[in-house]
Amino acid sequence: GAGVSQSPRYKVTKRGQDVALRCDPISGHVSLYWYRQALGQGPEFLTYFNYEAQQDKSGLPNDRFSAERPEGSISTLTIQRTEQRDSAMYRCASSPRTSKPYEQYFGPGTRLTVT
Amino acid sequence: AQSVTQLDSQVPVFEEAPVELRCNYSSSVSVYLFWYVQYPNQGLQLLLKYLSGSTLVKGINGFEAEFNKSQTSFHLRKPSVHISDTAEYFCAVSPAGHTGGFKTIFGAGTRLFVKA
Repeated sequence: GAGVSQSPRYKVTKRGQDVALRCDPISGHVSLYWYRQALGQGPEFLTYFNYEAQQDKSGLPNDRFSAERPEGSISTLTIQRTEQRDSAMYRCASSPRTSKPYEQYFGPGTRLTVT
Repeated sequence: AQSVTQLDSQVPVFEEAPVELRCNYSSSVSVYLFWYVQYPNQGLQLLLKYLSGSTLVKGINGFEAEFNKSQTSFHLRKPSVHISDTAEYFCAVSPAGHTGGFKTIFGAGTRLFVKA
C-alpha cells in the first residue's frame, strides 16, 4: 500500500512569503506528527494530531508556524512570513494507533529553502 | 525532559567488519528507545525499539541493540556490515507510558559509511 506522502518535495521561496506544506498519511492512521530537520541534525518535534485534534503544539517555534488537520486525514503545515532560518527539511509521520506513538511511518520530507 | 547524544557523527567501516554506533540518553522518567535508519532521499525507517523486558533487542537487517539502564546507553551493533548498510542512523527516545506524551527526541545522527 501507499506510504506517507508529502508535497511539494522541494520548495524554494523568498523571505516574507507564506508557504503551505502538505502531508498525506497512510490511510486509516489516526495520529500524525510534524518534525523539522536541520542539516546535520536529527528531526525536531513540532506538533502532532490525533484524528483532527491538535494534541501538542509545543514544538512550534513561534506563531508564524501553524498546522491543521480538519478532517482527520491530510494535514497542512503553514509558515507565514518565512525567514531564512526556516530553511530545513520538514518531515511528516503517521501512526496507526494513539496508544502506540512509537509506530511512526515517515514520509520523504519537504525540503524548504528560503532565499 | 529527555535528551539524546550520539557520540560519533561519522563511522567508516570496511564491508563484513562489525560495527557499533553509540547512543547515550538522559531522562528523569522511564523511556522507550529507538533506532531509525535513513537512506538517501527516503524517510526514516524504524530499525528496532526497546519498550520493556529483555535488554537485548533485535531488529531488521541483522541489527541489534542493548539497553543499559545504569549507563543510560542504547548502542546499536551489527556483527558484519554490507555496502547496503551505508545510511544515516538516528537514536531516539520518548517518555514511556501514555501519560508521558508523544514527543520523540532524536539524536543528531551517525553516518555509517561502509567501504568495499
